[in-house]
Amino acid sequence: NAGVTQTPKFRVLKTGQSMTLLCAQDMNHEYMYWYRQDPGMGLRLIHYSVGEGTTAKGEVPDGYNVSRLKKQNFLLGLESAAPSQTSVYFCASSYHSGAKNIQYFGAGTRLSVL
Amino acid sequence: QQQVKQSPQSLIVQKGGISIINCAYENTAFDYFPWYQQFPGKGPALLIAIRPDVSEKKEGRFTISFNKSAKQFSLHIMDSQPGDSATYFCASHVSSGSARQLTFGSGTQLTVLP
Repeated sequence: NAGVTQTPKFRVLKTGQSMTLLCAQDMNHEYMYWYRQDPGMGLRLIHYSVGEGTTAKGEVPDGYNVSRLKKQNFLLGLESAAPSQTSVYFCASSYHSGAKNIQYFGAGTRLSVL
Repeated sequence: QQQVKQSPQSLIVQKGGISIINCAYENTAFDYFPWYQQFPGKGPALLIAIRPDVSEKKEGRFTISFNKSAKQFSLHIMDSQPGDSATYFCASHVSSGSARQLTFGSGTQLTVLP
């Protein structure tokens, strides 16, 4: 049971380059999320999806785009990378039961933008 | 804007001691309060959670205390062990239509000395 799988695990980009981070979950969860984690900032929500074909902006969406063409996959794109996007990116998926929302996280992608 | 304030930023405790991490929230619409534990190089994982209609929840050595009137909640780790050394995040959940989101605190790095 893989849970939430993120690829790649590490990536170095030059300013202005583009890339796509892939998140895959095998738990049949409706909800998926992309976060970035920076020292002293906790986890900040970039974009999220409440189901296949739907996406919405989170707290820090600028410079990122997402797509959820299949229920099990959630892609995060950087069209023109900037040094401020150097961070660790986490994907999560969740089910909810009323207010209870348990999010399962991947192992993260460490991105450096030079 | 940070809606969940977490303290302390770092904590060092002797083996067998009690670790206490505090969080305060602002949004009264939050309806579920989980704590996540993160080991280096891994994604966060749910540790324990509480609903706002409960003042305390205990699971093994981990206890959440919740004070709705003060809008504060805390994590207590009894008999702290070196294996508890990790970063701990409090979070608060809000529902808005079909959206389900967690807002995370900034994290506490716990070190338990042997």
